[in-house]
Amino acid sequence: DAKTTQPNSMESNEEEPVHLPCNHSTISGTDYIHWYRQLPSQGPEYVIHGLTSNVNNRMASLAIAEDRKSSTLILHRATLRDAAVYYCILSARETSYDKVIFGPGTSLSVIP
Amino acid sequence: KAGVTQTPRYLIKTRGQQVTLSCSPISGHRSVSWYQQTPGQGLQFLFEYFSETQRNKGNFPGRFSGRQFSNSRSEMNVSTLELGDSALYLCASSPESAGTPAFGSGTQLSVL
Repeated sequence: DAKTTQPNSMESNEEEPVHLPCNHSTISGTDYIHWYRQLPSQGPEYVIHGLTSNVNNRMASLAIAEDRKSSTLILHRATLRDAAVYYCILSARETSYDKVIFGPGTSLSVIP
Repeated sequence: KAGVTQTPRYLIKTRGQQVTLSCSPISGHRSVSWYQQTPGQGLQFLFEYFSETQRNKGNFPGRFSGRQFSNSRSEMNVSTLELGDSALYLCASSPESAGTPAFGSGTQLSVL
């Protein structure tokens, strides 16, 4: 599976929007883009995923570049509970992450 | 609907011992995957089971094994424990046809 690169850390003020970038320049045409987040002492929590079109759900929005070589996770109003490590991963299968390596992710800090 | 349940939550073992970890998937989920998470290596795929059969396997030595029961519950076993096996072991379950994997909170294994 293709590799992703993310900034190691980001900061945001509470109640402001947050844009978390992810680069995946070697993505293949059938790779899904998934975002998970992990709070301390917990397992990763699904946030959102998409293939080609932008996606919205109650947690966040996913903006996918036209060439699919990058994507951005958008948290519309950051809260203290959004402080976590955010992982961007690619998977050829929508329902399994076999052979996928979760990178170090982006550690998001939210400032009150 | 109950989430993915992993037991025990914490475990301390000594080198050379063996350990068995348990995972109960979300009701109706038939695929169960296991991952190892360490600060240095991130989250790495161990293996995936579906209908009591191992479907995929990551690059881990044969000391790591698993199985799945007819009710989809899964166990993983690590024999001849090494210090480097200290990690958070995560289980994820997913439906076969749609839906992304849901992770449990993990078992924190410490090998002394």
